[in-house]
Amino acid sequence: DQQVKQNSPSLSVQEGRISILNCDYTNSMFDYFLWYKKYPAEGPTFLISISSIKDKNEDGRFTVFLNKSAKHLSLHIVPSQPGDSAVYFCAASVQTGANNLFFGTGTRLTVIP
Amino acid sequence: NAGVTQTPKFRVLKTGQSMTLLCAQDMNHEYMYWYRQDPGMGLRLIHYSVGEGTTAKGEVPDGYNVSRLKKQNFLLGLESAAPSQTSVYFCASKFGLAKNIQYFGAGTRLSVL
Repeated sequence: DQQVKQNSPSLSVQEGRISILNCDYTNSMFDYFLWYKKYPAEGPTFLISISSIKDKNEDGRFTVFLNKSAKHLSLHIVPSQPGDSAVYFCAASVQTGANNLFFGTGTRLTVIP
Repeated sequence: NAGVTQTPKFRVLKTGQSMTLLCAQDMNHEYMYWYRQDPGMGLRLIHYSVGEGTTAKGEVPDGYNVSRLKKQNFLLGLESAAPSQTSVYFCASKFGLAKNIQYFGAGTRLSVL
């Protein structure tokens, strides 16, 4: 049973516009959330994270928003650049015990020049 | 700056053959992980290790074995490969419990015919 869901397999955005990638989770025990970016033939690379004690975290062009009541998080990329074209994975964990990550199925973002 | 290195990058096996995938990290990380990525499934945890000499089962452990004889290495073994094990395998590592950011290798693409 998928505990972390990314319901949009793909997204296309014009260069310079905002990209919004969404993620939903079902386990209310999750308290730490991450976004990873993956290029073809490479491993996922960490992009940005957020703890459940916050509702927003920003790093340059990337902002992650967390809505705990809706069990929803989103990644905003502003402005989008062609180099942002990749697959984005959302991941969640519980910060105790084994602390393992649970991944979503990914969203392929294409930024059109 | 090697980070996490996976060997080999590609492999083709016949059903019933065995093989070992090697993961090596040079960051002195305590925790190491093996994932598989299948189309539409995201990354799923196979086995993990919280330190040298320890291993534990993840979400999809059947058909795989692991060993962590040295802190820097985490081996994934397939004793009798099956077509259902055709996948891309990723190894990851992280320092400890405090920061739940995992660092990934470039992956091993395995085909079982």
